[in-house]
Amino acid sequence: RKEVEQDPGPFNVPEGATVAFNCTYSNSASQSFFWYRQDCRKEPKLLMSVYSSGNEDGRFTAQLNRASQYISLLIRDSKLSDSATYLCVVAWGAGTALIFGKGTTLSVSS
Amino acid sequence: NAGVTQTPKFQVLKTGQSMTLQCAQDMNHNSMYWYRQDPGMGLRLIYYSASEGTTDKGEVPNGYNVSRLNKREFSLRLESAAPSQTSVYFCASSDSELAYEQYFGPGTRLTVT
Repeated sequence: RKEVEQDPGPFNVPEGATVAFNCTYSNSASQSFFWYRQDCRKEPKLLMSVYSSGNEDGRFTAQLNRASQYISLLIRDSKLSDSATYLCVVAWGAGTALIFGKGTTLSVSS
Repeated sequence: NAGVTQTPKFQVLKTGQSMTLQCAQDMNHNSMYWYRQDPGMGLRLIYYSASEGTTDKGEVPNGYNVSRLNKREFSLRLESAAPSQTSVYFCASSDSELAYEQYFGPGTRLTVT
């Protein structure tokens, strides 16, 4: 099975903190990369795509390093509502070939 | 616009019983998927349907069958449930041109005793 590895955490941070998650993937032919968010006992939802040039969406920044085969997600100024599990997702070929990491759990406290 | 809906939300089965999980989407998506999520294992693809009339196996298809009833509906059947099939089952759909952006249903929590 092609692997996507994440540190499961949990990452426990105070409100306002900056936190970063990393993810590594084993298949160098992987074409597309994503972060999904999953709240406790809820379904996964797409958070953002990850591009080689990096991309930013508000407080969230995603980076891709193809040479080292890792993906990162940076969350600045953490909010209580950011508490969730973040799933690293890698795809190649047709859209059916999505491989999900096991997720990194973030807990933001006041 | 309900997105992706799944029924039932919860189910308890005895070993050997059968059941069908239902999934429907109202986004006019071509592709639909069934995943299972187990603690420590992440999401794994069971079956998918790239378009109406086609189905294909994913990573863990054994013990399951699927039917793409029409463009909206994609059902998952357990013919003879086993305790190893205790899991949370998610249905998802995507537009064929943006296949990587998948929209998930709320899940079915299945326990097999």
